[in-house]
Amino acid sequence: EAQVTQNPRYLITVTGKKLTVTCSQNMNHEYMSWYRQDPGLGLRQIYYSMNVEVTDKGDVPEGYKVSRKEKRNFPLILESPSPNQTSLYFCASSSRLGLGGTEAFFGQGTRLTVV
Amino acid sequence: GQQLNQSPQSMFIQEGEDVSMNCTSSSIFNTWLWYKQEPGEGPVLLIALYKAGELTSNGRLTAQFGITRKDSFLNISASIPSDVGIYFCAGHHGSSNTGKLIFGQGTTLQVKP
Repeated sequence: EAQVTQNPRYLITVTGKKLTVTCSQNMNHEYMSWYRQDPGLGLRQIYYSMNVEVTDKGDVPEGYKVSRKEKRNFPLILESPSPNQTSLYFCASSSRLGLGGTEAFFGQGTRLTVV
Repeated sequence: GQQLNQSPQSMFIQEGEDVSMNCTSSSIFNTWLWYKQEPGEGPVLLIALYKAGELTSNGRLTAQFGITRKDSFLNISASIPSDVGIYFCAGHHGSSNTGKLIFGQGTTLQVKP
């Protein structure tokens, strides 16, 4: 079954304690990205990756890092989490893009609370 | 970052009614996507549109890619309680080779049995 898998689904942590949210896709997609979803603000892109070892900032990258060492995995790293990073996070992947368009598939989300 | 203007923000309707929501953009898109998000889950793709003027159905759902390429609408006919959720539109410029999707802020749909 084609899917995007995120872990953990729920996480409560303390300010400053480094954490990693994992994301894996089994569709051999080149493009992966991370979004955060906050009430009234919709989905905002944090980082994206166009392929292995190619990553770039989205709209709200401050306080986050990513890596893309393998095609299927795209972890999101919070080196020093702060309470304003409390949010619902989604990983998404999509196939090679171009004028033909794209469809993005989302993981089930990770609800992060930083206290 | 750029966002799409999606309306209405929320709807509370009676079961059996039809629903219509739309998204507009100041720039042209080559792809319009419509997603549904249920509580505690990630957005799930409902309909993808790739051509201006295209009208596509998925069961009781119908979506159209506007002729100007700056808008799209989603209709749900004969709504049922399981239609409850947040509906998002998303656009892709296509001329860029990045995968960046621009999202609307969502339409929250509630259906009264």
